[in-house]
Amino acid sequence: SQKIEQNSEALNIQEGKTATLTCNYTNYSPAYLQWYRQDPGRGPVFLLLIRENEKEKRKERLKVTFDTTLKQSLFHITASQPADSATYLCALFYPPGGSYIPTFGRGTSLIVHP
Amino acid sequence: DVKVTQSSRYLVKRTGEKVFLECVQDMDHENMFWYRQDPGLGLRLIYFSYDVKMKEKGDIPEGYSVSREKKERFSLILESASTNQTSMYLCASSLNRDRTLYSNQPQHFGDGTRLSIL
Repeated sequence: SQKIEQNSEALNIQEGKTATLTCNYTNYSPAYLQWYRQDPGRGPVFLLLIRENEKEKRKERLKVTFDTTLKQSLFHITASQPADSATYLCALFYPPGGSYIPTFGRGTSLIVHP
Repeated sequence: DVKVTQSSRYLVKRTGEKVFLECVQDMDHENMFWYRQDPGLGLRLIYFSYDVKMKEKGDIPEGYSVSREKKERFSLILESASTNQTSMYLCASSLNRDRTLYSNQPQHFGDGTRLSIL
């Protein structure tokens, strides 16, 4: 079965640095990949979507890459701020034959220190 | 903005009770989902629906049922609550104009119901 791996250990960085979070998957590549942010006690909030034929997607200080050879997506936050502290989830969507119902990773906690 | 509203933020019930969790969305979305989220296990899909009166099992449907009588409302039912159903329950909705099982649209989540079964 498909497995999604996100670092279970929290990522601690200093304000102003670039945070990089990793989402690795096994077996076949998803057609789409999404990233969500989740704050404590709240539901996840959608951030970005990237398709398998796209290498990179940007939105303000956020950047997502998708490497189907490495079976990996990287999520970058540049000029990080303490307000960026949250858990970040990746979600994979597979084509028919699988399903477009998303499979979520367990998330990585990001802590940005002032 | 899409708003997904879950009826309770916190709920305490006893084992054997029948429990109803309600979810309402206000953006005319076709898809609705119920997840549970547990530490170390992440989000796990219980049931989803891509149209009124339609439902599909997710990864962990045992012990649960759902109801979608109206497009905006999706209810999760714990038929006979057990302690291992203590969890955070999250409802979500997304667009799916084609009404298929295949939709990559972003999911919009409610803020969850923290359910404790004693």
